[in-house]
Amino acid sequence: QSVLTQPPSVSAAPGQKVTISCSGSSSNIGSNSVSWYQQLPGTAPKLLIYENNKRPSGIPDRFSGSKSGTSATLGITGLQTGDEADYYCGTWDSSLSAGVFGGGTKLTVL
Amino acid sequence: EVQLVESGGGLVQPGGSLRLSCAASGFTFSSYTMHWVRQAPGKGLEYVSAISSDGGSTYYANSVKGRFTISRDNSKNTLYLQMGSLRAEDMAVYYCARGRSSSSWSAFDIWGQGTMVTVSS
Repeated sequence: QSVLTQPPSVSAAPGQKVTISCSGSSSNIGSNSVSWYQQLPGTAPKLLIYENNKRPSGIPDRFSGSKSGTSATLGITGLQTGDEADYYCGTWDSSLSAGVFGGGTKLTVL
Repeated sequence: EVQLVESGGGLVQPGGSLRLSCAASGFTFSSYTMHWVRQAPGKGLEYVSAISSDGGSTYYANSVKGRFTISRDNSKNTLYLQMGSLRAEDMAVYYCARGRSSSSWSAFDIWGQGTMVTVSS
């Protein structure tokens, strides 16, 4: 059971938009910044979003992040088949004094 | 090129020990927090441990506390994870990852390729 809650799967057609939610509590999302990762099959995770809504160099602006209270959301617009992957949210938990991840969301681009 | 390369994974019996290493290159290793994250076969990411840039602070997931020890040698640009009392549920790919800065504990911008740890008799 993951500390952060994500939907197991989402799907949308190419060119469309999708959002992935990440729900936590006051000790994690509520008091720390959120990151998002993309993991393509058989590869290491890749940082997509940090500090709730910032994109590392090289990440297209089709990817966006937001946070409100104890929840965060990843948005992906202009979906491409290459976006099919598992997506994870992560943050620090001040009560656990450790990092925490969501269970992951599998994105299918139909 | 900024790079992290893990090594030390392999087959170990339940109750056994193993030490993982993560060699860093292409950046000033001593300026960043470092982390271990694992992923059991077919499962999601699980946070394992973190260490501050100077090695003075360490943090562990409850699932490994008391059994695993994280350390670093900034003179050798290397991160370590000493694993003991290994259990079947510790079987996973272990990734080392770099925090974005010396104060970043939850955004990991560089990841290694991972090393597989198999716990089986």
